[in-house]
Amino acid sequence: AQRVTQPEKLLSVFKGAPVELKCNYSYSGSPELFWYVQYSRQRLQLLLRHISRESIKGFTADLNKGETSFHLKKPFAQEEDSAMYYCVPYSSASKIIFGSGTRLSIRP
Amino acid sequence: GAVVSQHPSWVICKSGTSVKIECRSLDFQATTMFWYRQFPKQSLMLMATSNEGSKATYEQGVEKDKFLINHASLTLSTLTVTSAHPEDSSFYICSAMPGAQSYNSPLHFGNGTRLTVT
Repeated sequence: AQRVTQPEKLLSVFKGAPVELKCNYSYSGSPELFWYVQYSRQRLQLLLRHISRESIKGFTADLNKGETSFHLKKPFAQEEDSAMYYCVPYSSASKIIFGSGTRLSIRP
Repeated sequence: GAVVSQHPSWVICKSGTSVKIECRSLDFQATTMFWYRQFPKQSLMLMATSNEGSKATYEQGVEKDKFLINHASLTLSTLTVTSAHPEDSSFYICSAMPGAQSYNSPLHFGNGTRLTVT
């Protein structure tokens, strides 16, 4: 069965501290992996995707196929990173289903 | 960048009436659009996948006769909540995937519609 797990509902860290938002997935086929973000009072938007292998706003995500994980990381958190983050894997054989999300709160 | 416009942003209606929500891709064509429902402090729940020119695919537990979806063009999908009841009050979000359905393409989201049924 398709499943994506974001174990932390809320993650609170101090400004300047490292951040890691965990994501584990169970999917048929080889899904493409995405992270979406929703800032306060804004629409959901793409943060980054594995296929691009890019760093957006200082965030990176490494795909570990063995552990079926796609954790989101940033070495130094900033206050503007406070938002809701969703890990979304999908493939041509699956539906686009969102994880439960992690609310990241950066303390000054 | 790709923009998805969703209207209205909020709507209040009386029990028993119907409400139509529009989702438009402004600068790209979208063969596939998705409708989600989001309860307070919860994640998005996929309601249905809307395909241009064909019937929508509904998720288990979503009443297709209650939530009518029409995707008549490559830039417009509509969700009509028929005979609305207070339990239908929620935040509804649409998203669109540019071009032919490609799972390497990111989703673009509307701003959502807050529906309140009194």
